[in-house]
Amino acid sequence: EVRLVESGGGLVQPGGSLRLSCAASEFSFSSYWMHWVRQAPGKGLVWVSRIDTDGRSTVYADSVRGRFTISRDNAKNTLYLELNHLRAEDTALYFCAKGKYSGDWANSPIFDNWGQGIPVTVSS
Amino acid sequence: DIVMTQSPDSLAVSLGERATINCKSSQSVLYSSRNKNYLAWYQQKPGQPPKLLIYWASTRESGVPDRFSGSGSGTDFALTIRSLQAEDVAVYYCQQTYNTPPTFGQGTRVEI
Repeated sequence: EVRLVESGGGLVQPGGSLRLSCAASEFSFSSYWMHWVRQAPGKGLVWVSRIDTDGRSTVYADSVRGRFTISRDNAKNTLYLELNHLRAEDTALYFCAKGKYSGDWANSPIFDNWGQGIPVTVSS
Repeated sequence: DIVMTQSPDSLAVSLGERATINCKSSQSVLYSSRNKNYLAWYQQKPGQPPKLLIYWASTRESGVPDRFSGSGSGTDFALTIRSLQAEDVAVYYCQQTYNTPPTFGQGTRVEI
């Protein structure tokens, strides 16, 4: 069974930084594009970023571009999201999510497995 | 960005009755050359991550009960729960997978 476990969240002051990790297991991590999706308290789902299989191609939502950096270590089966210059509006539960397909359809953002989420709170 | 709009925001349905959630995209998500609508549905129960129910507008994910079905094409889609069960109480989201950024509807809360 696919397992995705996020860590690294917490309380941080505005302008601060955090590094989220997502440990993946029970699937061929290096074959799938991976994503981060966030959910502010009581709100809906918002896609944040994605990375291709070897980490060479990354894309970001406008709201985080230039402040967040997605990366992966395929040797460690781990996905990362570095959050810098954090703002109050970045407060959310951050989920890592696996793309459903590998190969020719890998770029399709259908999320078939999700982590439990890790909370990030930006407040002074 | 493609804007996804769901209706209603919430609905209450009796056990065993049908529930229908609508989703409209601001532009077509039909990829004509592949004859696929790039539309997915997720279910999120309290305190849990979302769960994929339907993709390509009408393909049920493995393990999803067949009382869940998706329909529609182009810009107008629907998720139907044929006979609502107590465990179906959740918030349901549609999502376009047509282009980047992938965007979600605001969610529809289904209650008994």
